[in-house]
Amino acid sequence: QQPVQSPQAVILREGEDAVINCSSSKALYSVHWYRQKHGEAPVFLMILLKGGEQKGHEKISASFNEKKQQSSLYLTASQLSYSGTYFCGTEKAYSGAGSYQLTFGKGTKLSVIP
Amino acid sequence: EAQVTQNPRYLITVTGKKLTVTCSQNMNHEYMSWYRQDPGLGLRQIYYSMNVEVTDKGDVPEGYKVSRKEKRNFPLILESPSPNQTSLYFCASSLRKQGRLEELFFGEGSRLTVL
Repeated sequence: QQPVQSPQAVILREGEDAVINCSSSKALYSVHWYRQKHGEAPVFLMILLKGGEQKGHEKISASFNEKKQQSSLYLTASQLSYSGTYFCGTEKAYSGAGSYQLTFGKGTKLSVIP
Repeated sequence: EAQVTQNPRYLITVTGKKLTVTCSQNMNHEYMSWYRQDPGLGLRQIYYSMNVEVTDKGDVPEGYKVSRKEKRNFPLILESPSPNQTSLYFCASSLRKQGRLEELFFGEGSRLTVL
């Protein structure tokens, strides 16, 4: 079952902030975030793990609420280069580890305008 | 250069004509996966493989086959393509580490049209 992302789309002016949310009905072990620009492949941004560990992008931050199975991606002081579609991918928890199956949401289209 | 290579990048075919989309990675990753991307539906997993000779169904496996005879290759086979398999396909690979997946590296995508 796909995680639910919100909002579906957002338009920002340069310098504004945005938050993209990702919610799952399953117990999660990790949450991934990727950005896809038009006509290109998705590119890794960040992994958030159960227990609080994070790995990823220097200028983008995110949170993972294990109790609610929710993650949020925070884009601050947005730049034109932030435009694209953002996907969260969730890895279910299985016997104390990950399930090795990454399920993606439908995406959030972010447009940054001058 | 670390990369995932898919071929062909573009293909137009007709209903029922068997085709194979190849995927190869040079990063010695154990994990490989196929996704299809359709407008408004995001990325949906077709099949994945945790290592050589180990494959499993994703969320939308119907009409597809895969094999993993070598670590670096993970071809996607459409035995009898139908128009509802018209889509953009991505292959991805990753390390498996400490009981979970690391970041996925994606190929450039293969756009398939079935007439």
